[in-house]
Amino acid sequence: EVQLVESGGGFVQPGGSLRLSCAASGFTFSDYWMHWVRQAPGKGLVWVSYINTDGRDTNYADSVKGRFTISRDNAKNTLFLQMNSLRAEDTAVYYCARGWSATEGPAWWGLGTLVTVSS
Amino acid sequence: DVVMTQSPLSLPVTLGQPASISCRSSQSLEYSNGNTYLNWFQQRPGRSPRRLIYMVSNRDSGVPDRFSGSGSGTDFTLTISRVEAEDVGVYYCMQGTHWPMYTFGQGTKLEIK
Repeated sequence: EVQLVESGGGFVQPGGSLRLSCAASGFTFSDYWMHWVRQAPGKGLVWVSYINTDGRDTNYADSVKGRFTISRDNAKNTLFLQMNSLRAEDTAVYYCARGWSATEGPAWWGLGTLVTVSS
Repeated sequence: DVVMTQSPLSLPVTLGQPASISCRSSQSLEYSNGNTYLNWFQQRPGRSPRRLIYMVSNRDSGVPDRFSGSGSGTDFTLTISRVEAEDVGVYYCMQGTHWPMYTFGQGTKLEIK
């Protein structure tokens, strides 16, 4: 069974940092592109970042570029999102998702982890 | 960036009646290979999003056949032939054609009258 389990969310002050993880199981992790998508409380879905299968190609939404870094460890079947210089507007549930190709985008989603940025 | 615009944003429907959601993109979603990468997602209350339809009209495994997708170019539609209680939630369209940026519609909240 395909599973994506996010962790690392929590409460952080503005300007702080958090590192999210996404543990993958039930499929060959290294074959899939991976994404982070976020959803602010009561709002819609916003794509945040992707990483390709070997980790050499990444991209970010303008709102997080220069502050967030996506990475992956294919040996440990784990996706990461390092979030620095956090702002109140980064408060959201963060989902990891897999996709088969660049154009497919996020297709199968995890359960999400909540990040709250507040003083 | 490509903007995805859904309508309506709120959709009250009587059980057993059909429902349609429109999604329009600011640029054509036809890719250089001739395919169109437009997906539809369902998000039930308190749950993660689940993909229903990929590449305009292909149902994902396990998706009931009352869900169908259609459209081309910049205009797309998700249709539910007969709404059931379990269909309550928010529906999103999303484009992958113009990667490396992916964009979602604002979401359409389906509720039972």
